[in-house]
Amino acid sequence: AQTVTQSQPEMSVQEAETVTLSCTYDTSENNYYLFWYKQPPSRQMILVIRQEAYKQQNATENRFSVNFQKAAKSFSLKISDSQLGDTAMYFCAFMKPNTGANSKLTFGKGITLSVRP
Amino acid sequence: DAGVTQSPTHLIKTRGQQVTLRCSPKSGHDTVSWYQQALGQGPQFIFQYYEEEERQRGNFPDRFSGHQFPNYSSELNVNALLLGDSALYLCASSSRPGNQHFGDGTRLSIL
Repeated sequence: AQTVTQSQPEMSVQEAETVTLSCTYDTSENNYYLFWYKQPPSRQMILVIRQEAYKQQNATENRFSVNFQKAAKSFSLKISDSQLGDTAMYFCAFMKPNTGANSKLTFGKGITLSVRP
Repeated sequence: DAGVTQSPTHLIKTRGQQVTLRCSPKSGHDTVSWYQQALGQGPQFIFQYYEEEERQRGNFPDRFSGHQFPNYSSELNVNALLLGDSALYLCASSSRPGNQHFGDGTRLSIL
């Protein structure tokens, strides 16, 4: 079974600064997907970024980028130029591709990020 | 283009009752997954429906059941409600293969 660990329960960052959120996972699979989701107080889970394990290049989406270390089973999210709207809970998630229907997501416990004005 | 819609937004029930939650997937999506998110925790996978059949199931008792209709919408039913069933229930839809898109969730409170 796969596990996802987010050991930092809370983090705070000054607006316009850079912050890195940590995530580690455990799996015996070689091919899989990793995700970061954002959940603001409005409750909706929003996909921030996705990384395929077979890709060596780290994924980037505008101000969001990841540091994917497959051997260390580490998947951190870097948020550059933090904005007040980035305040939310952030979840790291793992998905094992399934040959049948779309596979399930396994989530970590999440980290609460607060951006200070 | 409507995203994933869930109803109701909030529901209050008492122990022992039964509840039905509804989900309409994003246009073009044919797979629906349900997750339970306890307060302060990450979502836990309940089950997934594709082609009107349950394809995968997480570690949830048989009190949790579901259904998918020909138009791909889905229902989550929970029988004999317990206090511990109080949570945010999230529905996610996807196409094969594809990212899962989440709705706003249904907040279920058990008294």
